[in-house]
Amino acid sequence: GEDVEQSLFLSVREGDSSVINCTYTDSSSTYLYWYKQEPGAGLQLLTYIFSNMDMKQDQRLTVLLNKKDKHLSLRIADTQTGDSAIYFCAESSPDNFNKFYFGSGTKLNVKP
Amino acid sequence: EAGVTQFPSHSVIEKGQTVTLRCDPISGHDNLYWYRRVMGKEIKFLLHFVKESKQDESGMPNNRFLAERTGGTYSTLKVQPAELEDSGVYFCASSPLPAGRWPETQYFGPGTRLLVL
Repeated sequence: GEDVEQSLFLSVREGDSSVINCTYTDSSSTYLYWYKQEPGAGLQLLTYIFSNMDMKQDQRLTVLLNKKDKHLSLRIADTQTGDSAIYFCAESSPDNFNKFYFGSGTKLNVKP
Repeated sequence: EAGVTQFPSHSVIEKGQTVTLRCDPISGHDNLYWYRRVMGKEIKFLLHFVKESKQDESGMPNNRFLAERTGGTYSTLKVQPAELEDSGVYFCASSPLPAGRWPETQYFGPGTRLLVL
């Protein structure tokens, strides 16, 4: 099956930028997603990018996609304490768009 | 609009016992998914219902797991008999029938934390 990998932890200071990285294996994935999980809550869709795009910006969030290297990143500008959560990268299966492959999640800790 | 709900939020059982997890999707969502996260690792797909039919159950680990979706509404996931390695967080998600509209947005419930002792 597809392999999606992320680093486990990231710690930043409030006001700094955070960059969460993800690598994936299936180059035929159509969409790639970023989900956020706050403590005690379910996963919340943050943003997504179509595979023919290099970059997508949505307010404080910037998604960069390098298809050649199969690398996806999520940049959070002006990180706030409320951004502390686990961030999951996911790709949709090329055979079944409804089937997602997730990474292990990156726990972002924002220090005041 | 109510989100995806799951019951129970936590369950602690002994090896060999049976546990049934329930998921209520967002009303009107035909797609329902089960995922599992074991030991802080990746979230793994278990299966996908479209209404009451199993569309894809390729992620079900073995025949100790049985998922049903009565009448295309709520779904249950039964583990019988439970083993130690079944411990983890079981997530349910739902989405409306895409009808050719992408990207697929799956709405997740808070998960059921299962601990098998």
